[in-house]
Amino acid sequence: DAGVIQSPRHEVTEMGQEVTLRCKPISGHNSLFWYRQTMMRGLELLIYFNNNVPIDDSGMPEDRFSAKMPNASFSTLKIQPSEPRDSAVYFCASSLLRGDRETQYFGPGTRLLVL
Amino acid sequence: GENVEQHPSTLSVQEGDSAVIKCTYSDSASNYFPWYKQELGKRPQLIIDIRSNVGEKKDQRIAVTLNKTAKHFSLHITETQPEDSAVYFCAASMDNDMRFGAGTRLTVKP
Repeated sequence: DAGVIQSPRHEVTEMGQEVTLRCKPISGHNSLFWYRQTMMRGLELLIYFNNNVPIDDSGMPEDRFSAKMPNASFSTLKIQPSEPRDSAVYFCASSLLRGDRETQYFGPGTRLLVL
Repeated sequence: GENVEQHPSTLSVQEGDSAVIKCTYSDSASNYFPWYKQELGKRPQLIIDIRSNVGEKKDQRIAVTLNKTAKHFSLHITETQPEDSAVYFCAASMDNDMRFGAGTRLTVKP
């Protein structure tokens, strides 16, 4: 099992540019999560999907952030336009929500720097 | 929504000593409590978890206890080793809605 795959691993962009982060969950998992990690705010849940449907996006900072999950094996997190305060590590995680099983497995993260 | 508090924020112990990290949560409906270890520059990785119908769980040198009445849970690491040095996060979850504590930076001095 390849685990959760994220791309790119590093992204450096200029303020105002669009940024798209990608995630491939573990095959067979039915839930997907996007987190943001910074020194100041720790690990924040941005949004999560169950069976490709967004369930809770209350953690999305503002309208500049959007996330999609067009199918069970792919999700994107888009920031448009990007700002320096968006600089962080963005993690994607997936889990199999079934009965009492809901362990989340994290991807390697995307380190984003907005200049 | 759920709010998870974690203490201490930093912890330094001598190799071989025990380390204890404590967390409290606010939502009594939370029923799943995982602990993650994150090494510098790496992803969080699950080290142990506990469900609300269990009071204690142990895996070798790591144990977690849960007090549902008081809404707090703790991570215990015995016989600490330098490779235990990392940031540890607790979390509380119900139906996939997981909230993390702020993390504890554990340093084990050889």
